[in-house]
Amino acid sequence: GENVEQHPSTLSVQEGDSAVIKCTYSDSASNYFPWYKQELGKRPQLIIDIRSNVGEKKDQRIAVTLNKTAKHFSLHITETQPEDSAVYFCAASRKSTLTFGKGTMLLVSP
Amino acid sequence: EPEVTQTPSHQVTQMGQEVILRCVPISNHLYFYWYRQILGQKVEFLVSFYNNEISEKSEIFDDQFSVERPDGSNFTLKIRSTKLEDSAMYFCASSNEKLFFGSGTQLSVL
Repeated sequence: GENVEQHPSTLSVQEGDSAVIKCTYSDSASNYFPWYKQELGKRPQLIIDIRSNVGEKKDQRIAVTLNKTAKHFSLHITETQPEDSAVYFCAASRKSTLTFGKGTMLLVSP
Repeated sequence: EPEVTQTPSHQVTQMGQEVILRCVPISNHLYFYWYRQILGQKVEFLVSFYNNEISEKSEIFDDQFSVERPDGSNFTLKIRSTKLEDSAMYFCASSNEKLFFGSGTQLSVL
């Protein structure tokens, strides 16, 4: 089955800096890659996603890039704000079932 | 905005007891899921459900687990004889294309 590795496990940045979280996947047939943000005690919330026919997607301060050849995808957050502090999960799927990475705890200090 | 709703938000039970976790998926969604998250860990897939039958299940979803869609709106997860290691946050989710999570049921097995 699919295996998703996510790095780093924790990331501390200063407000205004950029943050990058990286994931790799194992199943070359995976074609959908969403990112979820989970605040403490809350449900994971979809923040951005990308399909395998696209190399990059942006939504305001958030962007995702995908390298199908290398089976890498990354989340980029620019101009980080304290409210970006949360755990971020990447995921990959081939059909409908998502396999999640272990998560990255992002801490943005004012 | 439509949401996946789950009840109860917290469930405490004794080891060996049966529990039923309830979910109301988003009304026009066709795919339903149960995931679980042990405290501080990643979100793990349990089972997916489509067209009134299980479409995929993980190794975690053994004979102690079952799912049901008893009517046109509810989707339930039953754990027949709970074990200590079943303690986790259980998330229901639904999708047509993008996956949306419910707010979760925190299950504590004593």
